[in-house]
Amino acid sequence: EDQVTQSPEALRLQEGESSSLNCSYTVSGLRGLFWYRQDPGKGPEFLFTLYSAGEEKEKERLKATLTKKESFLHITAPKPEDSATYLCAVQAEGTNKYIFGTGTRLKVLA
Amino acid sequence: DTEVTQTPKHLVMGMTNKKSLKCEQHMGHRAMYWYKQKAKKPPELMFVYSYEKLSINESVPSRFSPECPNSSLLNLHLHALQPEDSALYLCASSQLRVPGELFFGEGSRLTVL
Repeated sequence: EDQVTQSPEALRLQEGESSSLNCSYTVSGLRGLFWYRQDPGKGPEFLFTLYSAGEEKEKERLKATLTKKESFLHITAPKPEDSATYLCAVQAEGTNKYIFGTGTRLKVLA
Repeated sequence: DTEVTQTPKHLVMGMTNKKSLKCEQHMGHRAMYWYKQKAKKPPELMFVYSYEKLSINESVPSRFSPECPNSSLLNLHLHALQPEDSALYLCASSQLRVPGELFFGEGSRLTVL
Protein backbone atom coordinates (compact mmCIF):
# COMPACT_ATOMS: atom_id res chain seq x y z
CA GLU A 1 0.00 0.00 0.00
CA ASP A 2 1.26 3.47 -0.90
CA GLN A 3 2.14 5.43 2.21
CA VAL A 4 3.78 8.69 3.29
CA THR A 5 5.11 9.32 6.80
CA GLN A 6 6.46 12.64 8.03
CA SER A 7 8.58 13.31 11.09
CA PRO A 8 8.77 14.95 13.45
CA GLU A 9 5.10 15.75 13.99
CA ALA A 10 6.04 19.10 15.53
CA LEU A 11 9.28 21.04 15.77
CA ARG A 12 10.21 24.16 17.69
CA LEU A 13 13.37 26.00 16.65
CA GLN A 14 15.08 29.15 17.76
CA GLU A 15 15.58 31.73 15.03
CA GLY A 16 18.75 30.80 13.15
CA GLU A 17 18.74 27.17 14.33
CA SER A 18 18.93 24.99 11.22
CA SER A 19 17.15 21.64 11.05
CA SER A 20 15.62 19.05 8.72
CA LEU A 21 12.17 17.62 8.22
CA ASN A 22 11.76 14.06 6.99
CA CYS A 23 9.29 12.49 4.57
CA SER A 24 9.49 8.71 4.15
CA TYR A 25 7.47 7.11 1.41
CA THR A 26 6.44 3.74 0.05
CA VAL A 27 4.96 3.91 -3.41
CA SER A 28 4.66 1.57 -6.36
CA GLY A 29 6.52 3.73 -8.85
CA LEU A 30 7.14 7.37 -7.99
CA ARG A 31 5.85 9.98 -10.41
CA GLY A 32 6.80 12.86 -8.19
CA LEU A 33 7.30 14.01 -4.60
CA PHE A 34 6.00 17.42 -3.62
CA TRP A 35 6.57 19.74 -0.69
CA TYR A 36 3.98 22.26 0.40
CA ARG A 37 3.80 24.93 3.08
CA GLN A 38 0.46 25.55 4.76
CA ASP A 39 -0.40 28.48 7.00
CA PRO A 40 -3.35 28.11 9.41
CA GLY A 41 -6.72 28.35 7.65
CA LYS A 42 -5.11 28.67 4.21
CA GLY A 43 -4.59 26.33 1.29
CA PRO A 44 -1.23 24.58 0.86
CA GLU A 45 1.35 26.59 -1.07
CA PHE A 46 3.48 24.64 -3.53
CA LEU A 47 7.22 24.67 -2.78
CA PHE A 48 9.08 21.95 -4.69
CA THR A 49 8.75 18.96 -7.00
CA LEU A 50 11.33 16.17 -6.94
CA TYR A 51 11.10 13.11 -9.13
CA SER A 52 14.38 11.29 -9.23
CA ALA A 53 16.75 10.11 -6.52
CA GLY A 54 19.64 12.49 -6.03
CA GLU A 55 17.68 15.51 -7.11
CA GLU A 56 17.87 18.71 -5.02
CA LYS A 57 15.89 21.94 -5.19
CA GLU A 58 16.44 25.20 -3.30
CA LYS A 59 14.38 28.25 -2.53
CA GLU A 60 15.60 30.92 -0.12
CA ARG A 61 16.23 29.15 3.22
CA LEU A 62 14.72 25.85 2.07
CA LYS A 63 16.40 22.95 0.33
CA ALA A 64 14.67 19.71 -0.61
CA THR A 65 16.47 16.45 -1.37
CA LEU A 66 15.27 13.04 -2.53
CA THR A 67 16.46 9.46 -2.16
CA LYS A 68 14.69 6.25 -3.18
CA LYS A 69 13.01 5.99 0.23
CA GLU A 70 12.75 9.48 1.64
CA SER A 71 12.97 13.20 1.17
CA PHE A 72 14.34 15.86 3.45
CA LEU A 73 13.41 19.49 3.71
CA HIS A 74 16.38 21.35 5.14
CA ILE A 75 15.73 24.74 6.72
CA THR A 76 18.81 26.91 7.08
CA ALA A 77 18.82 29.77 9.59
CA PRO A 78 15.03 29.85 9.88
CA LYS A 79 13.07 32.99 10.69
CA PRO A 80 9.74 33.31 12.56
CA GLU A 81 7.96 33.78 9.24
CA ASP A 82 8.96 30.21 8.30
CA SER A 83 6.54 28.96 10.97
CA ALA A 84 3.92 26.83 9.22
CA THR A 85 2.93 23.24 8.59
CA TYR A 86 5.05 21.56 5.94
CA LEU A 87 3.32 18.83 3.96
CA CYS A 88 4.88 16.18 1.79
CA ALA A 89 2.90 14.39 -0.93
CA VAL A 90 3.68 11.71 -3.49
CA GLN A 91 2.09 10.89 -6.80
CA ALA A 92 2.28 7.25 -7.84
CA GLU A 93 2.59 5.98 -11.40
CA GLY A 94 -0.62 5.34 -13.26
CA THR A 95 -2.74 7.49 -10.99
CA ASN A 96 -3.92 11.04 -10.58
CA LYS A 97 -4.01 10.65 -6.80
CA TYR A 98 -1.68 12.44 -4.43
CA ILE A 99 -0.95 10.82 -1.08
CA PHE A 100 -0.24 13.34 1.67
CA GLY A 101 1.75 12.87 4.83
CA THR A 102 0.38 14.20 8.11
CA GLY A 103 2.74 17.15 8.05
CA THR A 104 5.32 18.72 10.35
CA ARG A 105 4.17 21.75 12.34
CA LEU A 106 7.16 24.08 12.54
CA LYS A 107 7.39 26.91 15.04
CA VAL A 108 10.36 29.28 14.85
CA LEU A 109 10.85 31.43 17.91
CA ALA A 110 12.38 34.91 17.74
CA ASP B 1 -1.05 34.88 -4.93
CA THR B 2 -2.91 31.66 -5.74
CA GLU B 3 -4.34 31.28 -9.23
CA VAL B 4 -7.08 29.01 -7.97
CA THR B 5 -9.99 31.06 -6.64
CA GLN B 6 -12.53 29.64 -4.23
CA THR B 7 -15.80 31.18 -3.08
CA PRO B 8 -17.13 31.69 -0.55
CA LYS B 9 -14.24 31.90 1.93
CA HIS B 10 -16.59 31.14 4.82
CA LEU B 11 -19.96 29.39 4.85
CA VAL B 12 -22.29 28.58 7.72
CA MET B 13 -25.23 26.34 6.97
CA GLY B 14 -27.89 24.36 8.72
CA MET B 15 -28.35 20.64 8.21
CA THR B 16 -31.37 21.20 5.95
CA ASN B 17 -29.78 23.85 3.73
CA LYS B 18 -28.53 23.49 0.17
CA LYS B 19 -25.43 25.45 -0.73
CA SER B 20 -22.57 25.31 -3.21
CA LEU B 21 -18.84 25.89 -3.12
CA LYS B 22 -17.23 27.27 -6.26
CA CYS B 23 -13.73 27.02 -7.68
CA GLU B 24 -12.16 28.65 -10.72
CA GLN B 25 -8.74 28.36 -12.34
CA HIS B 26 -7.32 29.96 -15.47
CA MET B 27 -4.03 28.09 -15.74
CA GLY B 28 -5.30 25.74 -18.47
CA HIS B 29 -5.14 22.78 -16.10
CA ARG B 30 -7.27 19.81 -17.15
CA ALA B 31 -7.45 18.09 -13.76
CA MET B 32 -9.36 19.56 -10.84
CA TYR B 33 -9.76 18.24 -7.32
CA TRP B 34 -11.81 18.63 -4.18
CA TYR B 35 -10.13 17.94 -0.85
CA LYS B 36 -11.50 18.07 2.67
CA GLN B 37 -9.21 19.06 5.53
CA LYS B 38 -9.87 18.83 9.25
CA ALA B 39 -7.76 20.69 11.81
CA LYS B 40 -4.21 19.34 12.17
CA LYS B 41 -4.87 16.67 9.51
CA PRO B 42 -3.62 16.41 5.93
CA PRO B 43 -5.93 17.12 3.00
CA GLU B 44 -8.20 14.18 2.24
CA LEU B 45 -9.11 13.55 -1.38
CA MET B 46 -12.80 13.62 -2.26
CA PHE B 47 -13.12 13.91 -6.05
CA VAL B 48 -10.96 14.25 -9.16
CA TYR B 49 -12.09 15.52 -12.55
CA SER B 50 -9.96 14.87 -15.62
CA TYR B 51 -11.00 16.60 -18.84
CA GLU B 52 -14.26 17.61 -17.17
CA LYS B 53 -15.17 14.01 -16.39
CA LEU B 54 -15.31 12.54 -12.90
CA SER B 55 -12.38 10.13 -12.69
CA ILE B 56 -12.06 9.51 -8.96
CA ASN B 57 -14.71 9.46 -6.24
CA GLU B 58 -13.26 8.44 -2.90
CA SER B 59 -16.53 6.91 -1.64
CA VAL B 60 -17.80 10.31 -0.62
CA PRO B 61 -21.38 10.44 0.80
CA SER B 62 -24.02 11.51 -1.71
CA ARG B 63 -24.77 14.66 0.29
CA PHE B 64 -21.68 16.00 -1.52
CA SER B 65 -22.26 16.36 -5.25
CA PRO B 66 -19.47 17.60 -7.52
CA GLU B 67 -19.93 19.28 -10.88
CA CYS B 68 -17.46 20.43 -13.51
CA PRO B 69 -19.33 22.72 -15.95
CA ASN B 70 -16.21 23.46 -18.01
CA SER B 71 -12.43 23.18 -17.89
CA SER B 72 -12.08 26.24 -15.64
CA LEU B 73 -14.87 25.70 -13.13
CA LEU B 74 -15.54 23.19 -10.40
CA ASN B 75 -18.49 23.20 -8.02
CA LEU B 76 -19.31 21.21 -4.92
CA HIS B 77 -23.01 21.08 -4.12
CA LEU B 78 -23.89 20.51 -0.49
CA HIS B 79 -27.18 19.16 0.84
CA ALA B 80 -28.31 17.75 4.17
CA LEU B 81 -24.85 17.95 5.70
CA GLN B 82 -23.92 16.82 9.18
CA PRO B 83 -21.98 18.80 11.80
CA GLU B 84 -19.03 16.45 11.28
CA ASP B 85 -18.78 17.73 7.71
CA SER B 86 -17.51 21.04 9.09
CA ALA B 87 -14.01 21.47 7.65
CA LEU B 88 -11.84 23.44 5.25
CA TYR B 89 -12.73 22.46 1.68
CA LEU B 90 -9.86 22.88 -0.73
CA CYS B 91 -9.98 23.01 -4.50
CA ALA B 92 -6.85 22.23 -6.49
CA SER B 93 -5.84 21.90 -10.10
CA SER B 94 -2.97 20.34 -12.00
CA GLN B 95 -1.74 19.66 -15.47
CA LEU B 96 -2.19 16.11 -16.69
CA ARG B 97 1.50 15.42 -17.13
CA VAL B 98 4.31 13.73 -15.26
CA PRO B 99 4.75 14.94 -12.61
CA GLY B 100 1.92 17.37 -12.08
CA GLU B 101 2.10 19.78 -9.21
CA LEU B 102 -1.15 20.49 -7.39
CA PHE B 103 -2.04 24.15 -7.02
CA PHE B 104 -4.50 24.86 -4.25
CA GLY B 105 -6.99 27.61 -3.61
CA GLU B 106 -7.28 29.34 -0.26
CA GLY B 107 -10.14 27.08 0.75
CA SER B 108 -13.72 27.48 1.88
CA ARG B 109 -14.26 27.17 5.63
CA LEU B 110 -17.56 25.34 6.13
CA THR B 111 -19.44 25.22 9.43
CA VAL B 112 -22.52 23.01 9.67
CA LEU B 113 -24.82 23.82 12.58
